[in-house]
Amino acid sequence: SAVISQKPSRDICQRGTSLTIQCQVDSQVTMMFWYRQQPGQSLTLIATANQGSEATYESGFVIDKFPISRPNLTFSTLTVSNMSPEDSSIYLCSVFQTEAFFGQGTRLTVV
Amino acid sequence: QKEVEQDPGPLSVPEGAIVSLNCTYSNSAFQYFMWYRQYSRKGPELLMYTYSSGNKEDGRFTAQVDKSSKYISLFIRDSQPSDSATYLCAMSGTSYGKLTFGQGTILTVHP
Repeated sequence: SAVISQKPSRDICQRGTSLTIQCQVDSQVTMMFWYRQQPGQSLTLIATANQGSEATYESGFVIDKFPISRPNLTFSTLTVSNMSPEDSSIYLCSVFQTEAFFGQGTRLTVV
Repeated sequence: QKEVEQDPGPLSVPEGAIVSLNCTYSNSAFQYFMWYRQYSRKGPELLMYTYSSGNKEDGRFTAQVDKSSKYISLFIRDSQPSDSATYLCAMSGTSYGKLTFGQGTILTVHP
């Protein structure tokens, strides 16, 4: 099974600022995914992070707001840009290796 | 209409009870069906995974899929206080790792 480390585990940020979340996997994986879990809601896929190419975003999510990097097969970052209180959520990194594994999540509060 | 509908509960049962959790879906392209358990402040962890109609059993857990009715269930026998968590159904088509989640059901098993 894949072990996923996410940093930071939580943060409180001022509106208008940006936060970059890191996701490190203990093995090489082709596909990495970023999800958002809003308070009291389920998980929604933001984008698929592709190594060597641009991320693929789901409907309702755009690169300017959620830029993603995928420099190699074990690491990815998600940036939440120009934050507003509506961005307060848990952001989760996921990888697929016969099944989908999830990191512990980053709990973001925007004030 | 959401692609996946799950009764959010919350659900409170006594220890030893049989728990039934359900999801319906509308997208016929879904081929893989999963149940995740999420403890507070943790990432989701996979409980059950199936890709065909019928039942799949693993210890106290039974997953049931009825593709003709677009309906899946998770049964927990002899429920324990340690089963108290949020249970999420998830589905995917041929794009492995891209999951569509239900809203989650909050389960509390009291001694």
